[in-house]
Amino acid sequence: DIQMTQSPSSLPASLGDRVTITCRASQDIGNYLRWFQQKPGKSPRLMIYGATNLAAGVPSRFSGSRSGSDYSLTINSLESEDMAIYYCLQHNEYPYTFGAGTKLELK
Amino acid sequence: QVQLQQSGAELAKPGSSVKISCKASGYTFTSYYISWIKQTTGQGLEYIGYINTGSGGTNYNEKFKGKATLTVDKSSSTAFMQLSSLTPDDSAVYYCAVATGDYWGQGVMVTVSS
Repeated sequence: DIQMTQSPSSLPASLGDRVTITCRASQDIGNYLRWFQQKPGKSPRLMIYGATNLAAGVPSRFSGSRSGSDYSLTINSLESEDMAIYYCLQHNEYPYTFGAGTKLELK
Repeated sequence: QVQLQQSGAELAKPGSSVKISCKASGYTFTSYYISWIKQTTGQGLEYIGYINTGSGGTNYNEKFKGKATLTVDKSSSTAFMQLSSLTPDDSAVYYCAVATGDYWGQGVMVTVSS
């Protein structure tokens, strides 16, 4: 199975900060990488697809990028509503696999 | 708008089975497959598999073969997942999702306890 190593597991940040979360794939997954946001008691929400494309309705302060086997989610000018857990998902090869999650919290 | 409405929480005994439903609305049901995902505190998110809502064809994560059975009823735009031979390790929240997570159901908490 493809391993998605996500870091950091916890990210304390202040409102207005720029933060970056990274997933490293153990094998080539092309751009078959998605990012999800999950708030407490809620279902995950698609934020980024195809590694770099913003899903419908997602604020433009969110962006996705790729450098080799490293995939990043960046949030510019952090807002309180962004506090959540973020997961990456590779869907290039079965079984699809998720990263372990990054908890974004207020410092 | 796209909605996936899942059935209610389940409390089941070890060794029994449960069947969870996922009713879709707001789009053409057979245009997108339905994925199923397991979430636990310890293991995070795990992809169980998917069902082609048009053909009924399935693809399972090896880990869930024999545990999960995915079916679909096109007439009611509903997908189902049956979990069998339940153990406490099956206690989790189970989600259905359109395709690769474009939209998600609200989740079903399954608790396995004697």
